[in-house]
Formats: sequence, C-alpha cells, structure tokens
Amino acid sequence: DVKVTQSSRYLVKRTGEKVFLECVQDMDHENMFWYRQDPGLGLRLIYFSYDVKMKEKGDIPEGYSVSREKKERFSLILESASTNQTSMYLCATVSDEKLFFGSGTQLSVL
Amino acid sequence: GENVEQHPSTLSVQEGDSAVIKCTYSDSASNYFPWYKQELGKRPQLIIDIRSNVGEKKDQRIAVTLNKTAKHFSLHITETQPEDSAVYFCAASEGGADGLTFGKGTHLIIQP
Repeated sequence: DVKVTQSSRYLVKRTGEKVFLECVQDMDHENMFWYRQDPGLGLRLIYFSYDVKMKEKGDIPEGYSVSREKKERFSLILESASTNQTSMYLCATVSDEKLFFGSGTQLSVL
Repeated sequence: GENVEQHPSTLSVQEGDSAVIKCTYSDSASNYFPWYKQELGKRPQLIIDIRSNVGEKKDQRIAVTLNKTAKHFSLHITETQPEDSAVYFCAASEGGADGLTFGKGTHLIIQP
C-alpha cells in the first residue's frame, strides 16, 4: 500500500505567521504534489516536485513556496499566512501511474 | 491549459437506482481520466480510471465511459447503496497521473 503521511490533521494559525505543512511518503516515489481543496472549487494544484531540490509551480502558487531537501519529504510553506489560505491541504504522490493522497491538513488562519 | 467541467454538483438518487456523473474536458491531447471518491472526513481515493485507447471500463457496480470525439466521460454507478454516498471528482490529463486537472466535484446522496 502507498503511504502518504501528513503530520498534522488540524492546524490553527494567526494571520502573518509562517506555516509549514509536512508530507512524507515511504515508497521512494519521485513525484510529489500539494493540492488545495475548497468546497465548490474541487482540487487545485499548488506546487509539485519530480526530484530532490526540484519544484514546479502549479495552477495557484501565489502565497506559497515548497521545499524538498529529501526524496521522501515535501513541505508546503506559507510565508505569511492570510485568512484566504484557510483550506484543506492535500499532499499526493504517484505510484504505478496513479495518484495517491495523504489524509489532509485542515488549516484555519485567524 | 486543461479545463474540466463536472455536472451535476449535487445528485440525489433512491437506493437501488443508478447514478450518472458527467465531465467534459477541453484539451484534446488528454489521455488519462480517473475518478476519485471522497467520503466525509477522508482522503480522495481512486475508484476507477480509463485511458484514451478504450471507450468503456467496468469494475463491479461502477463503470466509466469515454467519448474522445465529444471530449466527455461519465461515471455510472448501478444498484446504488448507502455507502456510495460521497463526493466524486473526475480528472483529466495528458501526462498520466502527474498533471491532473480536477472537476469541482459531485455530492452524491443515496436516499433510503
């Protein structure tokens, strides 16, 4: 089974804080993704990475950055959190040409 | 880039009836079309996918059909059961699972 682990299920942060969302996969997969899920808007791609120290912008990268120092770990960074970044964040990886998601982090920015 | 439209946004059916969710896509180069099911409070999970070299694929009570000429594909669920209640997402991409564009989701409600 593909295992994608997001360290926090719920997070509450204040406006202006720097926020780190962590994602770890255990199967040596190369491709990792961060999606944002909002009601009525579906799943939107923020950033993705195909290798260590490599990153590419997705459809909605504004206000976010990422870090991939090790193959198994892909971090999403909110440099200065804003209320419109309150959302469910889903990490994903590809295995056997199929996309598998982590359990998600529900972030609330107050 | 790719644009995926999904309809309806909410679908309510009687238990035992069939449900159909439809998606259209814009990029004629797209060749991979998965469907995800997300139960309340859980992660989206892949339930079925189809590639452009086939027109239909079945797995027990679920099936997906693809019409490349019209650029649309559909999810069919027969003999619906309470556990089918969830949000369903379609997606499309040219490059397999790496570049998926998702629809906005359909909330399927199974009425007892």
